[in-house]
Amino acid sequence: GQQVMQIPQYQHVQEGEDFTTYCNSSTTLSNIQWYKQRPGGHPVFLIQLVKSGEVKKQKRLTFQFGEAKKNSSLHITATQTTDVGTYFCAGQSDYKLSFGAGTTVTVRA
Amino acid sequence: DSGVTQTPKHLITATGQRVTLRCSPRSGDLSVYWYQQSLDQGLQFLIQYYNGEERAKGNILERFSAQQFPDLHSELNLSSLELGDSALYFCASSVAAVADTQYFGPGTRLTVL
Repeated sequence: GQQVMQIPQYQHVQEGEDFTTYCNSSTTLSNIQWYKQRPGGHPVFLIQLVKSGEVKKQKRLTFQFGEAKKNSSLHITATQTTDVGTYFCAGQSDYKLSFGAGTTVTVRA
Repeated sequence: DSGVTQTPKHLITATGQRVTLRCSPRSGDLSVYWYQQSLDQGLQFLIQYYNGEERAKGNILERFSAQQFPDLHSELNLSSLELGDSALYFCASSVAAVADTQYFGPGTRLTVL
């Protein structure tokens, strides 16, 4: 079945630095979604990418969908303490949404 | 606040028991999804209902069942509970059946002793 792998599992970042989390699917996706879950909270939708090679930006966050629609990345620039949490990618294929294991981000002030 | 409500917030029960988790989707949303989140398994998709009918099935155990009622609220029934069923159970809703933003509820934390 469809599998979505996400790396790294943990990311410890110095405040002000950049980092990237990657998502890879074993199958071609119809779309990919990104969610953020703050500690003790629930996943909150960030963005959806649908087109091959699509790039979308939300302030310091840049989301990219691969040309083959099998991978995606989230790049955060100038990390702030508000970026703490777990970032999940979720790939949609055959009407099913498969979540990656998430990247848990901690920030050193 | 996502507009999705889940009850109860916390549930503590014993092995072998049966519990029911309840979810009310956002107003206007026809799809309801159930997820299980545990420390070692991440966020696992269990099942989706759309307008009262089962739409997609994920890694849902046979001991678990769900339904969506005519008023669109949904219930997840967990029976013959085992220690390993302890987890956070999220409900999410969306307008459409596929390829749509999902809005998550606050979750129900189930502890099986």
